[in-house]
Amino acid sequence: EDKVVQSPLSLVVHEGDTVTLNCSYEVTNFRSLLWYKQEKKAPTFLFMLTSSGIEKKSGRLSSILDKKELFSILNITATQTGDSAVYLCAVDDNYGQNFVFGPGTRLSVLP
Amino acid sequence: DGGITQSPKYLFRKEGQNVTLSCEQNLNHDAMYWYRQDPGQGLRLIYYSQIVNDFQKGDIAEGYSVSREKKESFPLTVTSAQKNPTAFYLCASSWGFGTGELFFGEGSRLTVL
Repeated sequence: EDKVVQSPLSLVVHEGDTVTLNCSYEVTNFRSLLWYKQEKKAPTFLFMLTSSGIEKKSGRLSSILDKKELFSILNITATQTGDSAVYLCAVDDNYGQNFVFGPGTRLSVLP
Repeated sequence: DGGITQSPKYLFRKEGQNVTLSCEQNLNHDAMYWYRQDPGQGLRLIYYSQIVNDFQKGDIAEGYSVSREKKESFPLTVTSAQKNPTAFYLCASSWGFGTGELFFGEGSRLTVL
């Protein structure tokens, strides 16, 4: 059965800290791995990773994929209270026919 | 502005009633999806459609039905056969066939009393 696992499930940090969120997967037909941020309702897209070892970066956020070890990490440096959200990892398992989601990591950034 | 519109945002229904959640997109996307989100769980796929007049069951399709008569629209009906329908429902779309990310609507929260 296809599976996406995220850790930790919950994390509390203070502003300025750096955090690393983990995502590992077991799927049949890997196409890409995606990260989303969900604050209240609609998840918003952060990154899509298809190739191993190539870091994607956007401001204080960065992500990298290891296709050999079947995992990805999402790093957030110099965290701010606005980074508080649930971060979702998803894998495109079959040419867009099925995006398998992990349970999410709930990040709380305290002032 | 392009996007995905879901309605209603909040819905209360009595047990045994069917309800239909609307999802409309003006992104010209081919593929559309319905996900269910429960507290502490990831999104689970209910149905998806890659083209008009065609749709496939996801992991938790029992008790749900969909139609895809137009490219822009993918309504979801929660039937009385769904044993635990209270949840947050998210509609999404993409260019299809693995060519890009999912774009999400704002969601519909259904509470069955």
